[in-house]
Amino acid sequence: DTEVTQTPKHLVMGMTNKKSLKCEQHMGHRAMYWYKQKAKKPPELMFVYSYEKLSINESVPSRFSPECPNSSLLNLHLHALQPEDSALYLCASSQGYRDRGYEQYFGPGTRLTVT
Amino acid sequence: QKEVEQDPGPLSVPEGAIVSLNCTYSNSAFQYFMWYRQYSRKGPELLMYTYSSGNKEDGRFTAQVDKSSKYISLFIRDSQPSDSATYLCAMSGGTSYGKLTFGQGTILTVHP
Repeated sequence: DTEVTQTPKHLVMGMTNKKSLKCEQHMGHRAMYWYKQKAKKPPELMFVYSYEKLSINESVPSRFSPECPNSSLLNLHLHALQPEDSALYLCASSQGYRDRGYEQYFGPGTRLTVT
Repeated sequence: QKEVEQDPGPLSVPEGAIVSLNCTYSNSAFQYFMWYRQYSRKGPELLMYTYSSGNKEDGRFTAQVDKSSKYISLFIRDSQPSDSATYLCAMSGGTSYGKLTFGQGTILTVHP
């Protein structure tokens, strides 16, 4: 089973709200990723966790705060977002990432609208 | 110049046609190549994964990698309306295995 699940499917939040996006995988993968995708653009990498430790932060603003509570779960905490942060947020996972290229499996995404 | 170039299309073909999708790249360190299919408002779905040069076939899909030309292709045989989607090439290698570099995506429509 190559399934990555994400909740919620849709989220509308005001600029002063705090919300969280959740991602889960049960493939035993040790690397998990957050991507942001704007309409008609490819996904842009935000964060990479490897063995539950943050390995890559692509200079993402601090209003996005990732968390990896365990090897199966990945959260993205959102606070004081801007309307331009409205996008599809994608979670992905792979077996690893350091020693070679691994296939990344994506979840269905959370469509975020910031009002 | 982008590291990965992919013609955004749109590409429109009749049902049953053979579809050819292509990407070129400039970074010779890329060794791992993927093709994803993305339906509107959904997450990308991994179709094919190849390492280095050569061909790989899976059902109606064939992926080709030519590292000497820095060129990859995805062929879809007997295309179906359900193949209508955006196709993204992605690749990694060198010091950034975990970071996929994507093409811009090609929008494909297969009409009955």
